Amino acid sequence: DVVLTQTPPTLSATIGQSVSISCRSSQSLLHSNGNTYLNWLLQRPGQPPQLLIYLVSRLESGVPNRFSGSGSGTDFTLKISGVEAEDLGVYYCVQSTHAPNTFGAGTKLELK
Amino acid sequence: EVQLQESGPGLVKPSQSLSLTCSVTGYSITSNYWGWIRKFPGNKMEWMGYISYSGSTSYNPSLKSRISITRDTSKNQFFLQLNSVTTEDTATYYCAGLPYFDYWGQGVMVTVSS
Repeated sequence: DVVLTQTPPTLSATIGQSVSISCRSSQSLLHSNGNTYLNWLLQRPGQPPQLLIYLVSRLESGVPNRFSGSGSGTDFTLKISGVEAEDLGVYYCVQSTHAPNTFGAGTKLELK
Repeated sequence: EVQLQESGPGLVKPSQSLSLTCSVTGYSITSNYWGWIRKFPGNKMEWMGYISYSGSTSYNPSLKSRISITRDTSKNQFFLQLNSVTTEDTATYYCAGLPYFDYWGQGVMVTVSS
C-alpha cells in the first residue's frame, strides 16, 4: 500500500498566520492517465470531512482561496495563507491514484 | 445539491455482520464512484472499498473476504456489509463520492460490543 507521511502532526497558529502541511508519498502518485490524484480534506470537530483541494492544486468550489495546494510525484504541500478561526480541525491528505486508496495520519490545526 | 446519508445500527455484536445503507440524492449512483471510508477512534482513516457507476467493485485487501458493497439503482442507494466483526471494527463509517472524496455523508458511529 502507498504510505502517506504527513507532517507536522500538530500545528499551532495564530489568526492571520500562514502555515503549511507536508504530505510525502512512498511512491509516485502520477497516474498512467496523466493525473495525480492527491487530495486534501479538512475535518472540523463533529463534522464529516470536507474536500478542499483535488488533483494536487485544484480548489474545490466554495473553498476560500487562502487554501492552496502544490507538489508533484511524491512531495505535496497544503498552504493556508492567513489562518481563520473556521480553519481549525484535522487536515488529511488522501491519494486515489493507487488501490487501495490511503490517507495520511492527519495534522491537527490548533489556535496558539 | 448532492446529499449522502448513512443509516444502520449503531451497535453490533462480535462475530455478527455490520450492514449500512447510503442513500444518495441529487446525483445518480449510475454515474461516478461511491465508496465507504471509516474513521477509527483517534484520527486514523481507512478506505474500505467502492462500487462504480457500472456496478463493479474494489475492496481494501486488509478486509479480505469480509466486505461486500452492493447497490440498488432503483432507490439510488448503495450498501456495505462487513462480516465477522470484532471490536477492532468499532469506528465511524462514512459513505463518500470518489475518486475526489467530494461528497460525504454525516457518518454513523458503529460500536462492536457484546
